[in-house]
Amino acid sequence: GAVVSQHPSRVICKSGTSVKIECRSLDFQATTMFWYRQFPKQSLMLMATSNEGSKATYEQGVEKDKFLINHASLTLSTLTVTSAHPEDSSFYICSARASGVYTQYFGPGTRLTVL
Amino acid sequence: GESVGLHLPTLSVQEGDNSIINCAYSNSASDYFIWYKQESGKGPQFIIDIRSNMDKRQGQRVTVLLNKTVKHLSLQIAATQPGDSAVYFCAEIPYTSGTYKYIFGTGTRLKVLA
Repeated sequence: GAVVSQHPSRVICKSGTSVKIECRSLDFQATTMFWYRQFPKQSLMLMATSNEGSKATYEQGVEKDKFLINHASLTLSTLTVTSAHPEDSSFYICSARASGVYTQYFGPGTRLTVL
Repeated sequence: GESVGLHLPTLSVQEGDNSIINCAYSNSASDYFIWYKQESGKGPQFIIDIRSNMDKRQGQRVTVLLNKTVKHLSLQIAATQPGDSAVYFCAEIPYTSGTYKYIFGTGTRLKVLA
């Protein structure tokens, strides 16, 4: 149980284009989903927290207009990187938690490369 | 032994030995602690968790110890295997956060030597 998927696993795009990453909880209802970014050899950096049906809460320094988050259902959240630039290249990971539970279950991550 | 890499400290352990990975947490109000294992190119995988009202919790080949006096958390892996090679992160959730957000540690890379 507690499986979270992400799609795509890898994406390469040209500078200036937008990329959408999907995060799905496959066998539970995710009250809250989190989006993280991870640079090589570093820990996970929380970008934003999203609750189903509400606007996402962004961490300080994360541009909400650049990283659009939608949590339209209890099993799906999407992260759209708008007008991507090479510095947005990174490993993006989502996680999900069910209501009343502390534990976050993580997706396998999406490797974004912006040329 | 231990060495400090560019960003991640590394623990090298002989196969079959026990591993101890340490973590210092920051918030004395943290209520919940969790260990994750992350293999290269993958998302973190849940290992074990512990609540602040406990000192020790055991799982399969793993034990988590919590010392609230010095705000220290450790993960012990018994009979370390090559498949245990990964980066291990601790995370804490402050009780007062109300957001269920994790505060992650910097991580430790575990290398299992054959």
